[in-house]
Amino acid sequence: DQQVKQNSPSLSVQEGRISILNCDYTNSMFDYFLWYKKYPAEGPTFLISISSIKDKNEDGRFTVFLNKSAKHLSLHIVPSQPGDSAVYFCAASVRNRDDKIIFGKGTRLHILP
Amino acid sequence: EPEVTQTPSHQVTQMGQEVILRCVPISNHLYFYWYRQILGQKVEFLVSFYNNEISEKSEIFDDQFSVERPDGSNFTLKIRSTKLEDSAMYFCASSDRGAQPQHFGDGTRLSIL
Repeated sequence: DQQVKQNSPSLSVQEGRISILNCDYTNSMFDYFLWYKKYPAEGPTFLISISSIKDKNEDGRFTVFLNKSAKHLSLHIVPSQPGDSAVYFCAASVRNRDDKIIFGKGTRLHILP
Repeated sequence: EPEVTQTPSHQVTQMGQEVILRCVPISNHLYFYWYRQILGQKVEFLVSFYNNEISEKSEIFDDQFSVERPDGSNFTLKIRSTKLEDSAMYFCASSDRGAQPQHFGDGTRLSIL
């Protein structure tokens, strides 16, 4: 049951360049989307979210884009920094119904010097 | 910045024994959650808790599992008779309102022998 899919297990990006992490979802009831970042031996850390009424949300170096018709979202990190090396989880939920978060499998981002 | 704290960081238990995982959510949060991540797999929702009762639980959360908020600060997950397949990272999360970003603790690694 893969309602949230991250098809790239890993991604390597040069420091200073843009990192683009992609995510697809199948459940059209999802109306709230989140990105979490996870370092080894730590819990997921909330990064940024977007409601389905928007198509873009920006917070500093992080921007999330939502394409509802394609059921696709992406996280852009620019410029990429060494501390961005981590596993990034895409996640989704249905607001005002159940508040559980459904996670993707994650993408490991390596920022190269 | 306030954070969710979990204890212990690692718990080793014999199969069939009871185990209690403890969490202190962020102090003004009202919604509490448990998730787990089996090695190499996704982070999976177990249970949500609000207003002193379970609001939703997954099919994983069977009769062997229970949650409790014994006082104003702690939130616990009990597994009554542990099985080998319960070995996983268990994450506690909390949020101040439903469907807002959930903030995660660093997890308890549960190893069943």
